[in-house]
Amino acid sequence: DAKTTQPTSMDCAEGRAANLPCNHSTISGNEYVYWYRQIHSQGPQYIIHGLKNNETNEMASLIITEDRKSSTLILPHATLRDTAVYYCIVSPSRDTGFQKLVFGTGTRLLVSP
Amino acid sequence: EAGVAQSPRYKIIEKRQSVAFWCNPISGHATLYWYQQILGQGPKLLIQFQNNGVVDDSQLPKDRFSAERLKGVDSTLKIQPAKLEDSAVYLCASSSGQGRADTQYFGPGTRLTVL
Repeated sequence: DAKTTQPTSMDCAEGRAANLPCNHSTISGNEYVYWYRQIHSQGPQYIIHGLKNNETNEMASLIITEDRKSSTLILPHATLRDTAVYYCIVSPSRDTGFQKLVFGTGTRLLVSP
Repeated sequence: EAGVAQSPRYKIIEKRQSVAFWCNPISGHATLYWYQQILGQGPKLLIQFQNNGVVDDSQLPKDRFSAERLKGVDSTLKIQPAKLEDSAVYLCASSSGQGRADTQYFGPGTRLTVL
């Protein structure tokens, strides 16, 4: 499975956009990029995923570079409740087998007033 | 829609004792996962079920850990005997098992402390 590299921690002011980068330079053509987050004392929560195109949902936007070697998760208007550890994960399409998420240590995002 | 349920939420045991965790996945989800999360680390997959069959248990310490998913719904994870290094949060997740990109939904976890 491809590995990902994320900054250990980031800060963001409440109401501003939070841009969380992820490097996945060894990603394969059939691997999706997933983002999950984990708020303190809770289980991880799915945020968004993408293959090639940029994606947006009610929680966030995912921007994937054209060469697919990196991506950015964007929280457009961060709130205090967005303080969490954010995990960027690459995982093969289920066409090639069962999905398996390999979590790293993620980015600890602190949103401050 | 009800989420993934886990019990107990907290458990404290002495080393060499046994312990069991229970998970009820989202209704209709075919795939069930157990993860171990040690403090400061990301979750690590222990075992994955597709319906009631094991898909991947390569990282399950089989000398002390066991898991089952009877009837393809609920699942239990057991540790016998427990060691100090088993102190962690044990997370259960489920997914529909359909589609090329399959998202997982996690329960709140069981925090195990081994003294």
